[in-house]
Amino acid sequence: DVKVTQSSRYLVKRTGEKVFLECVQDMDHENMFWYRQDPGLGLRLIYFSYDVKMKEKGDIPEGYSVSREKKERFSLILESASTNQTSMYLCASRSSSGSNYNEQFFGPGTRLTVL
Amino acid sequence: SQQGEEDPQALSIQEGENATMNCSYKTSINNLQWYRQNSGRGLVHLILIRSNEREKHSGRLRVTLDTSKKSSSLLITASRAADTASYFCATDGWTGRRALTFGSGTRLQVQP
Repeated sequence: DVKVTQSSRYLVKRTGEKVFLECVQDMDHENMFWYRQDPGLGLRLIYFSYDVKMKEKGDIPEGYSVSREKKERFSLILESASTNQTSMYLCASRSSSGSNYNEQFFGPGTRLTVL
Repeated sequence: SQQGEEDPQALSIQEGENATMNCSYKTSINNLQWYRQNSGRGLVHLILIRSNEREKHSGRLRVTLDTSKKSSSLLITASRAADTASYFCATDGWTGRRALTFGSGTRLQVQP
């Protein structure tokens, strides 16, 4: 089974802090994604990566950056956390080939609160 | 911007009843997928329907797709309390962007 893990389930940070959210997948997937989920807004794409060291902006990249130094790991960075970044953050991965390459596999999520 | 919009936003039914959720989208798609999310958890893939398909079944799930209306529906038959969750449609476009575009979800409550 594909497993996507996220470093924390719950995180509380203060305004202005630098925050790192880590995501690791164990199925050698080329593509990895960071979404944020807010009530009534569904999932919105922040950034994605289709290869090591490659990244592309999603729909709401402002205030975020990402890092992908290894294939299995995709990090989301909040350079200076703000209260409007309080949200649930979901990481996902997806293969580029194979029978189920269309499917995205999600981690359990990190609920971040910025005070 | 949100591609998919689910309807209704919330649905409450009794165990054994059928649950129908609808999804509308705006641009042309390669496929449409439905995901389930238990409270406070990550999403789990349920079923995929390709743009050239009209209907697909998987166990108690039935998905339809009408590309002329840019809409899809998910039917869960003989619902169970364990089906209580949020359900999201997600579209996979032809743009080459490998990310899905998700709707805002339908929250389903199945009363035992």
